[in-house]
Amino acid sequence: EIVLTQSPGTLSLSPGERATLSCRASQSVTSNYFAWYQQKPGQAPRLLIYGASSRATGIPDRFSASGSGTDFTLTISRLEPEDFAVYYCQQYGSSPQTFGQGTKVEIK
Amino acid sequence: EVQLVQSGAEVKKPGESLKISCKGSGYSFINYWIGWVRQMPGKGLEWMGIIYPADSDTRYNPSFQGQVTISADKSISTAYLQWSALRASDTAIYYCARQTTVETPPKYWGQGTLVTVSS
Repeated sequence: EIVLTQSPGTLSLSPGERATLSCRASQSVTSNYFAWYQQKPGQAPRLLIYGASSRATGIPDRFSASGSGTDFTLTISRLEPEDFAVYYCQQYGSSPQTFGQGTKVEIK
Repeated sequence: EVQLVQSGAEVKKPGESLKISCKGSGYSFINYWIGWVRQMPGKGLEWMGIIYPADSDTRYNPSFQGQVTISADKSISTAYLQWSALRASDTAIYYCARQTTVETPPKYWGQGTLVTVSS
């Protein structure tokens, strides 16, 4: 299975700052079948990005993503208070689908 | 509005059986895949498997094959995840999620079902 490794484990930033999250795959992700999710405590994950760079419906444009092959990045241009959460990457092109271990974005 | 509503929290003893449910509404249940995702306490997400309710085509993550059974009853728009003999290590939140195809990401998620297994 494809192993996804996210970095950093924790990102301590202030509102208004830029957040850059990384995810590296152990092998190339099929057809950029790659997604990012946000999860807040006590809530289900929320799909942010699919197809490596396409924003899901209703996701603000401060969220952007890029990457292909084995290296992917999620960027939050200016952190809003509601953006402090855990973010997971996922590949869904090879079975089994796999998730990264998560990056926590916390308030500095 | 697409909704996935899961059954309530469960507390079970090791060795007991359990079946949790996920009821879809607001869309054609049979035409979308339903997947199950595990989240152990304080941990990340693990994809367990997926079912296509129209024909019950089911795919499992090898890590969960034989440990759980995924099923669906299309007549009542409900998918299930079941265990025949729970272990303490099955303690987790279990989410169901809708996928358009096997190769699309889950967009709509249930609220999660907390399963606690303790003697």
